[in-house]
Amino acid sequence: DQQVKQNSPSLSVQEGRISILNCDYTNSMFDYFLWYKKYPAEGPTFLISISSIKDKNEDGRFTVFLNKSAKHLSLHIVPSQPGDSAVYFCAASAGGSNYKLTFGKGTLLTVNP
Amino acid sequence: EAQVTQNPRYLITVTGKKLTVTCSQNMNHEYMSWYRQDPGLGLRQIYYSMNVEVTDKGDVPEGYKVSRKEKRNFPLILESPSPNQTSLYFCASSKTGISYEQYFGPGTRLTVT
Repeated sequence: DQQVKQNSPSLSVQEGRISILNCDYTNSMFDYFLWYKKYPAEGPTFLISISSIKDKNEDGRFTVFLNKSAKHLSLHIVPSQPGDSAVYFCAASAGGSNYKLTFGKGTLLTVNP
Repeated sequence: EAQVTQNPRYLITVTGKKLTVTCSQNMNHEYMSWYRQDPGLGLRQIYYSMNVEVTDKGDVPEGYKVSRKEKRNFPLILESPSPNQTSLYFCASSKTGISYEQYFGPGTRLTVT
């Protein structure tokens, strides 16, 4: 069963507009969430994270929102730039002594100039 | 330069021929992990290690072995590779656990015929 779901395989936005990438999870034990960005032929790179004790975390153009009751998180990129075009992975962990990290399938973001 | 290195980057082998993919990090990180990336399935964790001599299974450990004899190295061993292990493999490390940013290696493209 897929515990971390990214239901949109792809998303296309215009440069300067907002990109919103969504992620849903089913495991109520997850308490730490991360977003990674991946360019072709490279390893993923960490983007931003959020603990379940927060509902929002912001880092420059990137903001992650967490809605625990809905088991939903989203990544907002404002303004979107062509260099943001990449695959974005949502990941989650149950924390504590559990160091397993579960990834979603990824969403391909294309930012058009 | 802080980095995670993997070798080889590309490997074509035949069914049943034992192989090892090496992973090394120069950041004195305690946590290391192996993932595989497959089309439509995203990133799936194979094994992880919280520290020297401490390893545990991820979501897809079957057919793989790991060892962590020294802090910097975390090799992935395929004792008897099969075609369903054809994949893109990533090694990652982080300071400790998953609440810290994970640094990923560049990936190893493995083909088993």
